[in-house]
Amino acid sequence: NAGVTQTPKFRILKIGQSMTLQCTQDMNHNYMYWYRQDPGMGLKLIYYSVGAGITDKGEVPNGYNVSRSTTEDFPLRLELAAPSQTSVYFCASSSNSAQYFGPGTRLTVL
Amino acid sequence: GENVEQHPSTLSVQEGDSAVIKCTYSDSASNYFPWYKQELGKRPQLIIDIRSNVGEKKDQRIAVTLNKTAKHFSLHITETQPEDSAVYFCAASQILKSSGDKLTFGTGTRLAVRP
Repeated sequence: NAGVTQTPKFRILKIGQSMTLQCTQDMNHNYMYWYRQDPGMGLKLIYYSVGAGITDKGEVPNGYNVSRSTTEDFPLRLELAAPSQTSVYFCASSSNSAQYFGPGTRLTVL
Repeated sequence: GENVEQHPSTLSVQEGDSAVIKCTYSDSASNYFPWYKQELGKRPQLIIDIRSNVGEKKDQRIAVTLNKTAKHFSLHITETQPEDSAVYFCAASQILKSSGDKLTFGTGTRLAVRP
């Protein structure tokens, strides 16, 4: 099993550009999550999904959107990138509570 | 919502000594408390977790204790080694089928183990 995979690893965006961060898991987990981690800080939940077709907001959803059309994929969309969205983004999936994280996407908005 | 506080923010110990990191939580409905280790530039990795029906759990050199009355839990690492150097995060959640395990994280403890 590859576990949780994310692409891209790094990305630089200009203010106002949009992009989609990809996340895929091959563990057949129902629950998936997107977090952001700012330098020297803990992780904050952006959006989560309890299954295909079901998503809900976390603690910091503004400026982001998600969709979950399949069990495996949970992409995160940034529509109008802002400098405040510079961060490392982690996708995670869980079954029976334990969350498994992807390798992260380091995003810089200039 | 849940609020998790973590102390200390940095911790330096001599190799072979013990390290203790403490967290408090605010929501008495929280029932799941994992600990994650994050090495520089890497993803967080689950190292141990505890549920609210258990007071203590051990796995080799690491242990977690939970005091539900006081709403705090702690990570204990014994016989520390240089490879234990990392940032450690505590988290808390209320496990619900409708929301999975929405974790609220502490702000992290940077542990340095001096050889």
